[in-house]
Amino acid sequence: GAVVSQHPSWVICKSGTSVKIECRSLDFQATTMFWYRQFPKQSLMLMATSNEGSKATYEQGVEKDKFLINHASLTLSTLTVTSAHPEDSSFYICSAPRLAGIGNEQFFGPGTRLTVL
Amino acid sequence: AQTVTQSQPEMSVQEAETVTLSCTYDTSESDYYLFWYKQPPSRQMILVIRQEAYKQQNATENRFSVNFQKAAKSFSLKISDSQLGDAAMYFCAYTSGTYKYIFGTGTRLKVLA
Repeated sequence: GAVVSQHPSWVICKSGTSVKIECRSLDFQATTMFWYRQFPKQSLMLMATSNEGSKATYEQGVEKDKFLINHASLTLSTLTVTSAHPEDSSFYICSAPRLAGIGNEQFFGPGTRLTVL
Repeated sequence: AQTVTQSQPEMSVQEAETVTLSCTYDTSESDYYLFWYKQPPSRQMILVIRQEAYKQQNATENRFSVNFQKAAKSFSLKISDSQLGDAAMYFCAYTSGTYKYIFGTGTRLKVLA
């Protein structure tokens, strides 16, 4: 199967600082990537759709100025949590479809655990 | 709006036995796709099985099969000959018209030796 990586796998930061999380498709190109947030023992909640070469599309209730998304190339999307606060602590997961077409399998990154002190 | 419901927060099954996980969904679309994903303790999401709504035949993948009832909007996952490695969170997911997935709340499966 296709491989999606995330870096870092975990990060601890102080309140008020910014943190960047990278999502890379290692063996395929992805014009679209997705960012999810998962709280402990809960489901994945879609935060935004990252589109290569254009602005991200954010889900209702997600602050676009707080969660900056940049899809700089066909293999890299980044999520920057700006001015992080303890309530931003969560598990962040990205995904990407390898093949074009609705309904094709999406491949998920291993996730990034963010802890804000 | 589309919704996905998993009514079983937790299930247990004896090793080598069969277990069925439930999923219902709500949509007004006629063409859509349904998935079961597994999330083990490593948190890596792994596709278990995929079903196209236009196909009447239930999808199967080795020990995993689904019972897709389109009229009832039900999509259950059956795991046969359960193994210790099957222990994980299982998420039902829906997509239609876009690449966006809508996930259910998940079912934690415990496999008892």
